[in-house]
Amino acid sequence: GENVEQHPSTLSVQEGDSAVIKCTYSDSASNYFPWYKQELGKRPQLIIDIRSNVGEKKDQRIAVTLNKTAKHFSLHITETQPEDSAVYFCAASKSGGSNYKLTFGKGTLLTVNP
Amino acid sequence: ETGVTQSPTHLIKTRGQQVTLRCSSQSGHNTVSWYQQALGQGPQFIFQYYREEENGRGNFPPRFSGLQFPNYSSELNVNALELDDSALYLCASSPGGDTQYFGPGTRLTVL
Repeated sequence: GENVEQHPSTLSVQEGDSAVIKCTYSDSASNYFPWYKQELGKRPQLIIDIRSNVGEKKDQRIAVTLNKTAKHFSLHITETQPEDSAVYFCAASKSGGSNYKLTFGKGTLLTVNP
Repeated sequence: ETGVTQSPTHLIKTRGQQVTLRCSSQSGHNTVSWYQQALGQGPQFIFQYYREEENGRGNFPPRFSGLQFPNYSSELNVNALELDDSALYLCASSPGGDTQYFGPGTRLTVL
């Protein structure tokens, strides 16, 4: 089955700096890659997603890049703010198959220091 | 906020007991998935329901079962609770396709 590795497990940056979180996946048939933000005690919140027919997607300060050949994708947050502090999860699934099971990475705890 | 709700918020059970967790999806979302999130880990897929039929299952034993109802609500049932079942249980609904929106979860503690 699919396996998703996520790095780093913790990341501390100064406010205004950029943050990058990287994930690799094992199943070359995976074609949908969402990113979720989970604040302490709250639900995972979908912040951005990318499909395999696109190499990069941007939404304001957040961008995701995908390298299908290398089977890795990354989340980029620019101009970080203290409210960006949370745990971020990457996930992968095979869209269009019999079901849409999401396989998650173990998460990255991002701390933005004011 | 998504339109996905879950109940109860917290639950404490004893080993060997049975538990039912509930989820209400957004109207029109015909697919619901359930995930188990252990402390410090990413969510793990339990199973998915599409139009009231099970549509895929992860590596969980048969004592984990579910139901989906025509009114976009669903249930996760766990029999013979074990200590390792202590976790946050999340449901996620989808309008069809891959995008999934999570509920706030139910925190289950098994003593």
